Amino acid sequence: EVQLVESGGGLIQPGGSLRLSCAASEFTVSSNYMTWVRQAPGKGLEWVSVIYTGGSTYYADSVKGRFTISRENSKNTLFLQMSALRAEDTAVYYCAGGKRTTNWYDYWGQGTLVTVSS
Amino acid sequence: DIQMTQSPSSVSASVGDRVTITCRASRGISSWLAWYQQKPGKAPKLLIYAASSLQSGVPSRFSGSGSGTDFTLTISSLQPEDFATYYCQQVNSFPFTFGPGTKVDIK
Repeated sequence: EVQLVESGGGLIQPGGSLRLSCAASEFTVSSNYMTWVRQAPGKGLEWVSVIYTGGSTYYADSVKGRFTISRENSKNTLFLQMSALRAEDTAVYYCAGGKRTTNWYDYWGQGTLVTVSS
Repeated sequence: DIQMTQSPSSVSASVGDRVTITCRASRGISSWLAWYQQKPGKAPKLLIYAASSLQSGVPSRFSGSGSGTDFTLTISSLQPEDFATYYCQQVNSFPFTFGPGTKVDIK
């Protein structure tokens, strides 16, 4: 059974940094498009970033220059390095895996909560 | 950026009802559209991709149609487990954007 398990969320002060992880099992991170999507409390879904199999990365304007998506193939894990965090980054962060090399995301993690507050 | 709108924002319906949700893109996206279902406290679930392709394991009462700027998700006969929020997402161009969601609740 495919599993994506996020970790690394927590309470962080504004301006701080945090790294989220998404560990995959029965699913190869390097062979599929991988994305991060977030959801602020009581709000809708917001696309954050994607990494393609070839290594290309793309970001939402709201996080560009502050967040970095990456993967470690040997650990079959996806990451989201977040810096210069703001209150508006407070959200549940989901990782998701695409149907091979497509942007149709059929496997999702359970989410990890990031709270940015002093 | 491509803006996605959905209507209605919420709908109250009964079990067995036919429910239609509309999604509109601010410019043409061909068929680069997905529909997701989300229940409270859970991750989104892919229902429809490429505007009209049913994701494996999703009941056939769900269907999608449209291309260009106007899209529709239809639930032909609403079941108790279908009460949830539904989102469309365009993946035609970056940044990928979601619609604001449509909440389907019990009448």
